[in-house]
Amino acid sequence: KQEVTQIPAALSVPEGENLVLNCSFTDSAIYNLQWFRQDPGKGLTSLLLIQSSQREQTSGRLNASLDKSSGRSTLYIAASQPGDSATYLCAVNSNSGYALNFGKGTSLLVTP
Amino acid sequence: DTAVSQTPKYLVTQMGNDKSIKCEQNLGHDTMYWYKQDSKKFLKIMFSYNNKELIINETVPNRFSPKSPDKAHLNLHINSLELGDSAVYFCASSPSRRELFFGEGSRLTVL
Repeated sequence: KQEVTQIPAALSVPEGENLVLNCSFTDSAIYNLQWFRQDPGKGLTSLLLIQSSQREQTSGRLNASLDKSSGRSTLYIAASQPGDSATYLCAVNSNSGYALNFGKGTSLLVTP
Repeated sequence: DTAVSQTPKYLVTQMGNDKSIKCEQNLGHDTMYWYKQDSKKFLKIMFSYNNKELIINETVPNRFSPKSPDKAHLNLHINSLELGDSAVYFCASSPSRRELFFGEGSRLTVL
């Protein structure tokens, strides 16, 4: 069964810093990997989707990379802003199933 | 023009009652899901339907029964509610294993 781990569980950085969130998964036979953002009391907003054949995806200040062989993905946030404060979730869609398996998330706080 | 909408957003009820949560998507997707987010914020798949056919049925008590009347709707009915059922239930949809789009969630509190 696919296990997804996110490190760190929580992170606090001053505004303007670049930061990296980590995601690891146990089964490298994945179909795709998706990064989400969740604000308190809200639903999940999709940030980036990486197909298994891709190495990275970029959207604005966000860049997500995928290394299937090592079972890792990173989400890089450039020039962080207080509005980036949220929980970031990594989810993996394995070849063996339809559902996304989620990590427990990284809670990010960007201080002014 | 909400893409994935769930109702109700909040639900407070007594133990033993039966309740339903409704989900509708207007994205034309063929796959819909129910996820449960527990008090520790961990998201876990419960069910998935593809073109009205059940394709995922995780280890969920029989008290939970999904129903998909058509591709755009996936409802969740819960019988004999228990305290442990308190959670946020998220509906999601996707076009065949591609990007998932989530609703805002339905917060269920069982007293």
